[in-house]
This record gives sequence, C-alpha cells and structure tokens, in this order.
Amino acid sequence: GDSVTQMEGPVTLSEEAFLTINCTYTATGYPSLFWYVQYPGEGLQLLLKATKADDKGSNKGFEATYRKETTSFHLEKGSVQVSDSAVYFCALVSNTGNQFYFGTGTSLTVIP
Amino acid sequence: GAGVSQTPSNKVTEKGKYVELRCDPISGHTALYWYRQSLGQGPEFLIYFQGTGAADDSGLPNDRFFAVRPEGSVSTLKIQRTERGDSAVYLCASSLNFGDGYTFGSGTRLTVV
Repeated sequence: GDSVTQMEGPVTLSEEAFLTINCTYTATGYPSLFWYVQYPGEGLQLLLKATKADDKGSNKGFEATYRKETTSFHLEKGSVQVSDSAVYFCALVSNTGNQFYFGTGTSLTVIP
Repeated sequence: GAGVSQTPSNKVTEKGKYVELRCDPISGHTALYWYRQSLGQGPEFLIYFQGTGAADDSGLPNDRFFAVRPEGSVSTLKIQRTERGDSAVYLCASSLNFGDGYTFGSGTRLTVV
C-alpha cells in the first residue's frame, strides 16, 4: 500500500545552518507529494507541494523536488531561522485515492 | 468561516463514556476529512465526506466510531464506549478540490481516563 517514510528526529540546528529532511515514498500510480508543518500549539499547515515528477515545490525559503527515479521528496532550506522550529510532515495522496498518507513527522529545533 | 474550526479544543472523558467532536469546515468546501494523530505519529485517515455522504470510511478503527455530516457542512465525529487507546488529537480538514491540499483545523485533544 501507499506509505511515506521520513527521517527520524529530533533535529537540532544552529541558526543559518542548512536543513535537509529526507522523505521517501511508496505509491501506486502517480501521487502528489506534500510537506506540512506544525508549529508549537498550532494545527497542520500546508508548506509546499508538487504534483508530478520533477516539479519543485517552494515556500518561505523551503524547497522540495519530486524525484520519481528515487521516489523521494526531500525538504531543504538554505538558512534556517529560530522561527522554523516545528514538526515537519511529509505526505502523499495517490491519483486514485482520496486520503493522505503522512510520515511520522520530524521535529526541528533551531537554536540562536 | 476563515478557517476550519474544531470544538472543543480539549476533552477529557472517563472510560466508557460517549463523546462528540465537532468540525466546522471552510465555507464552500465540499470535501471534509477526519484524521487521528497519536503522540509522536503522523495523522492517520479516519473518514472522508463528499457533501453529505461518507465517501470513504475505511479508516474508522471499529464500530464505536461514527461520523455524520447531515447538511454537507458541519461534521460530528462520535465515539461510543471510549477506551484509553482512543486518546489522541482528532483533526478535521476540508478542501475545495481534492489534491489541492487540505486546510486543517487545530484539532481536538481527547484524553480518556
């Protein structure tokens, strides 16, 4: 069945460091891929998405490229800020289904 | 409304009791979803509504769980004979077009003692 595997945390970085959170997926068909972010005390928010192979989603300095050959959708940011501290979830929805499959989440803490 | 509203934000109940969790989606969103998020896990699908009907309820864990959306807007998730294992954050989300990404509510944290 469809599933998402993401890098386990927690991840702790210094401000302005480079961030990578790995995400790989298993899916039938041609899924759409998403990153959601959950800030402390808040609900899940859509961060970025990509709907087909080689698409790059980007938002707030974060980027992720849909790589079909490696079934990956790694999240990157060149210079993290303290305000990026949150839990990040990779997710997919298949083109034949109607539900999202989420990874277990990666907690990121950025220290000044 | 401007966002997806869930009430209550917190609910503590005794084992064996009945609870109802409410979701008010974004106005005009025909698709509504319920997810459950246990501590340290990602959200897990429970049920999906398209309009008033449950289009997919394959994620409901057992027959103690039931959800309705009688007028195609507000939805209520109902849990009978609650168990301690039901403790989790219950998330509601809505969308206009499937595949665009959901808008999630802040969730209801259910604690069964």
